Amino acid sequence: GAVVSQHPSRVICKSGTSVKIECRSLDFQATTMFWYRQFPKQSLMLMATSNEGSKATYEQGVEKDKFLINHASLTLSTLTVTSAHPEDSSFYICSAPRGDSGANVLTFGAGSRLTVL
Amino acid sequence: LAKTTQPISMDSYEGQEVNITCSHNNIATNDYITWYQQFPSQGPRFIIQGYKTKVTNEVASLFIPADRKSSTLSLPRVSLSDTAVYYCLVGPTGGGNKLTFGTGTQLKVEL
Repeated sequence: GAVVSQHPSRVICKSGTSVKIECRSLDFQATTMFWYRQFPKQSLMLMATSNEGSKATYEQGVEKDKFLINHASLTLSTLTVTSAHPEDSSFYICSAPRGDSGANVLTFGAGSRLTVL
Repeated sequence: LAKTTQPISMDSYEGQEVNITCSHNNIATNDYITWYQQFPSQGPRFIIQGYKTKVTNEVASLFIPADRKSSTLSLPRVSLSDTAVYYCLVGPTGGGNKLTFGTGTQLKVEL
């Protein structure tokens, strides 16, 4: 149980275009999801907290107008990278707290590798 | 959020026991300690979680001293497939609480 599906796993786009990444909790509901970004050889950096039915909470230094987050339902959160540039190339990972745990155990998606040309 | 400190890297050989220690001096009363494993180009995977003393599951053990200012992840008899980055996270209970990652420990297992 507690599976998080992330799509697409890889995406290549041209500079200036927008890319949408989906994160779905397959067998549990997630009122909260977290989006992380990871550059090569570095740790995961929390970008934002996605809240179902309300606005996302962004970490300091993360541009909310560039990284649009929508939590449309209890099982789906999307991250849209708008007007992507090469410096946005990174590994994006979503996660959700397991529904059966009150101790805040996160289930992570497999990640989405974005390459902006 | 409690800050964590781990060794950047560790090397081991197959069949050995590996102990990775994490320091979290400012851990709060309601914080749990959770360890995750990450392989290249994959999302992290939950390994084990504990609050105090010792926790053991099918893949690892977690030792937490009484003052809870540190914790040690113990991997028995590692294999090549245990080569990965291991992260120690400390945070409060409740699914809505965000968790931040430290640098992690790159474990390399050789023959």
